[in-house]
Amino acid sequence: KQEVTQIPAALSVPEGENLVLNCSFTDSAIYNLQWFRQDPGKGLTSLLLIQSSQREQTSGRLNASLDKSSGRSTLYIAASQPGDSATYLCAASGTYKYIFGTGTRLKVLA
Amino acid sequence: ETGVTQSPTHLIKTRGQQVTLRCSSQSGHNTVSWYQQALGQGPQFIFQYYREEENGRGNFPPRFSGLQFPNYSSELNVNALELDDSALYLCASSLGGQGEYEQYFGPGTRLTVT
Repeated sequence: KQEVTQIPAALSVPEGENLVLNCSFTDSAIYNLQWFRQDPGKGLTSLLLIQSSQREQTSGRLNASLDKSSGRSTLYIAASQPGDSATYLCAASGTYKYIFGTGTRLKVLA
Repeated sequence: ETGVTQSPTHLIKTRGQQVTLRCSSQSGHNTVSWYQQALGQGPQFIFQYYREEENGRGNFPPRFSGLQFPNYSSELNVNALELDDSALYLCASSLGGQGEYEQYFGPGTRLTVT
């Protein structure tokens, strides 16, 4: 049974810092690994999707990596800004469904 | 191209009542998946519909049921509402029912059960 864990559960950093969010999964037989952003009370915004054959994806200040053999993915955020404050969720896609972690709550202080 | 839409946005119901949530899939998508997100948790998979048939189900009781229509829009029905059913309900559509297809999420319906 796939389990997805995100560490840390919460993170507070000063503006401008580079930071790394971690996601681990127990079953390496995944199709994709996807990172989402969720603002309070809102739905999910897709940030990056990494296919199982890929090692990383980049979009602007965001870079996500995937290591299936170790069951890990990281989301790197460069030069963090107060507007980056949100909850970040990772999801591993199985046979037909996404398994989500519980998220990392990020606060970037001005 | 229209994305995934859900209605209503918010809903307040009383314990024991029944509720229907609606989802319109993205153009060209034939699969809809439903997720429940309780406060402070990650979304949990409820079930998936592929070409009008249930394609998989998570660990939810039978009072959670669904339907997919010929135009691939979908409904989630919850009977005998309980307080713990209060959550954000998300639907996602995709090109197919297999795991390699990216799921595109709607904005969600916030259900409050009092």
